[in-house]
Amino acid sequence: KAGVTQTPRYLIKTRGQQVTLSCSPISGHRSVSWYQQTPGQGLQFLFEYFSETQRNKGNFPGRFSGRQFSNSRSEMNVSTLELGDSALYLCASSESGALSYEQYFGPGTRLTVT
Amino acid sequence: KQEVTQIPAALSVPEGENLVLNCSFTDSAIYNLQWFRQDPGKGLTSLLLIQSSQREQTSGRLNASLDKSSGRSTLYIAASQPGDSATYLCAVGTNTGNQFYFGTGTSLTVIP
Repeated sequence: KAGVTQTPRYLIKTRGQQVTLSCSPISGHRSVSWYQQTPGQGLQFLFEYFSETQRNKGNFPGRFSGRQFSNSRSEMNVSTLELGDSALYLCASSESGALSYEQYFGPGTRLTVT
Repeated sequence: KQEVTQIPAALSVPEGENLVLNCSFTDSAIYNLQWFRQDPGKGLTSLLLIQSSQREQTSGRLNASLDKSSGRSTLYIAASQPGDSATYLCAVGTNTGNQFYFGTGTSLTVIP
């Protein structure tokens, strides 16, 4: 099976702009989670989608949003970018919609905000 | 809120040495615990997943143990190799859906 793919891999944006990141899970996986990784805060949970519904949400401002399509692909959007949004954004897919199952991560999207 | 801590933050060992990485968590009501490795600038690679009802899991030279009552997990790496150099992260799975709380990571360097 193909692994989790994320596009684009690298992105440079200016403060105030918005950005959309994409994640394609492993075939058959219905849950997609998004994480932000920064040197100072480590890996922090953004949100999780299952069957096109947001099931869990971390402690991030409303500028961070996401959605999931019927084929389980997910997008994450960040509006009004701030310098502090520069980070590696990782998505993870898992097989089950029940409780926490083994997660498989994509290579990440490196976002730089200038 | 679940807090996950990993000690030490960095570790440097000579090739061939056996080593132990530690992970502690504050809330014992976990569903499972997963160990990952991350190479610089890359995503996470799953190493081992331990369900809350299990005490340990093994894969090749890796052995992970879980003690829920004391809020601790260890990752044992036998006969370390330079290719094991990476950052190792533990993540605690909750009972409220697919949300993992990550530790701060241990940066491991194996010296040839």
